[in-house]
Amino acid sequence: DSGVTQTPKHLITATGQRVTLRCSPRSGDLSVYWYQQSLDQGLQFLIQYYNGEERAKGNILERFSAQQFPDLHSELNLSSLELGDSALYFCASSVVGTGPYEQYFGPGTRLTVT
Amino acid sequence: QQPVQSPQAVILREGEDAVINCSSSKALYSVHWYRQKHGEAPVFLMILLKGGEQKGHDKISASFNEKKQQSSLYLTASQLSYSGTYFCGTTPGPARQLTFGSGTQLTVLP
Repeated sequence: DSGVTQTPKHLITATGQRVTLRCSPRSGDLSVYWYQQSLDQGLQFLIQYYNGEERAKGNILERFSAQQFPDLHSELNLSSLELGDSALYFCASSVVGTGPYEQYFGPGTRLTVT
Repeated sequence: QQPVQSPQAVILREGEDAVINCSSSKALYSVHWYRQKHGEAPVFLMILLKGGEQKGHDKISASFNEKKQQSSLYLTASQLSYSGTYFCGTTPGPARQLTFGSGTQLTVLP
């Protein structure tokens, strides 16, 4: 158990809908990262927040957005969902926002768009 | 730029050794190694910084050759528990994001 929690574990929704994925980082970690992992694919970095502020953006679609709240939990919002958005979405946390620090991954949310 | 991992997959018997390589066409600052079992979260293994250091714990170690922009993960006397997909992630600088390779699937048979 990494200490990072994600809810829900599974999510099935229809195309065109909007969903929110939630992540709580490890106690003491200020940085949250979101990754997308499609079937049998690698981890694609989406976005990073550090202490409530956006720190870095990766290959995140305009239909996706995220935020980190004062209690440091983070939410990833996915809208106008398409079939291709079906994937595992991981949240990870680390102590700091820069530098080569290890990231601890949550169990993931499996999103299925039908 | 995504690092390239090789091989894509490897099958070995318990007790055998394996090497997984990770290379980049760009200068690297750090290399991170993770293992992911099917349907589970990636688990951190180790980080290597430029300087050519080698790290390891238990029977898993890694090296980083910054001149060649490549890292190798060494698994010695493989155990069944080593099965999974190994990902390397690289950063070009100290404040840059991780870019992961496409993974190497390792299967250890009894």
